[in-house]
Amino acid sequence: AQSVTQPDIHITVSEGASLELRCNYSYGATPYLFWYVQSPGQGLQLLLKYFSGDTLVQGIKGFEAEFKRSQSSFNLRKPSVHWSDAAEYFCAVGEENFNKFYFGSGTKLNVKP
Amino acid sequence: EPEVTQTPSHQVTQMGQEVILRCVPISNHLYFYWYRQILGQKVEFLVSFYNNEISEKSEIFDDQFSVERPDGSNFTLKIRSTKLEDSAMYFCASNIGGSNQPQHFGDGTRLSIL
Repeated sequence: AQSVTQPDIHITVSEGASLELRCNYSYGATPYLFWYVQSPGQGLQLLLKYFSGDTLVQGIKGFEAEFKRSQSSFNLRKPSVHWSDAAEYFCAVGEENFNKFYFGSGTKLNVKP
Repeated sequence: EPEVTQTPSHQVTQMGQEVILRCVPISNHLYFYWYRQILGQKVEFLVSFYNNEISEKSEIFDDQFSVERPDGSNFTLKIRSTKLEDSAMYFCASNIGGSNQPQHFGDGTRLSIL
């Protein structure tokens, strides 16, 4: 079965500092990869996605992610974090030929002023 | 921008009762999904639905659960006889096509079983 691992449950960074959230997946073929953000009491909003091609993808709100096949990773980055980025972030994998998605357990981001 | 809408936002139900959670997916989307998120835990896939039938389902989606698209706009999740452990946020999502397309999520229904 496919799986998604987000090893960091909580991360705290200072406003203006850089951010990297880790995501590792287990999947035999080329995965469809997504990052979502969830603010308290709300649904998940898509930040960015990777299907094929350029392994560095740009998303909304200044986020980017890099697909590294050799490391089975799809880490999310932002060069300078804003207080409004405090939320929970989920990495997800879509399984080719199956109408099914797997989510990681999420990383809660706190931003210090 | 079109949205996925879910009603109610909060549902409180006695254990053993039936509950129906409602969703209106984005109108031109073809694939519909239900997810569950128990408090403090990960988002778990329940079921996907396409062309008026279940496409995939997880181990969580047992005989107590059913989904239906009763008309051209609504997509419902029914839990036949609720248990305490069904308490969770339930998210509906839709996309235009399968696992290589991003999903659009509703804001969820918080289900509390007493």
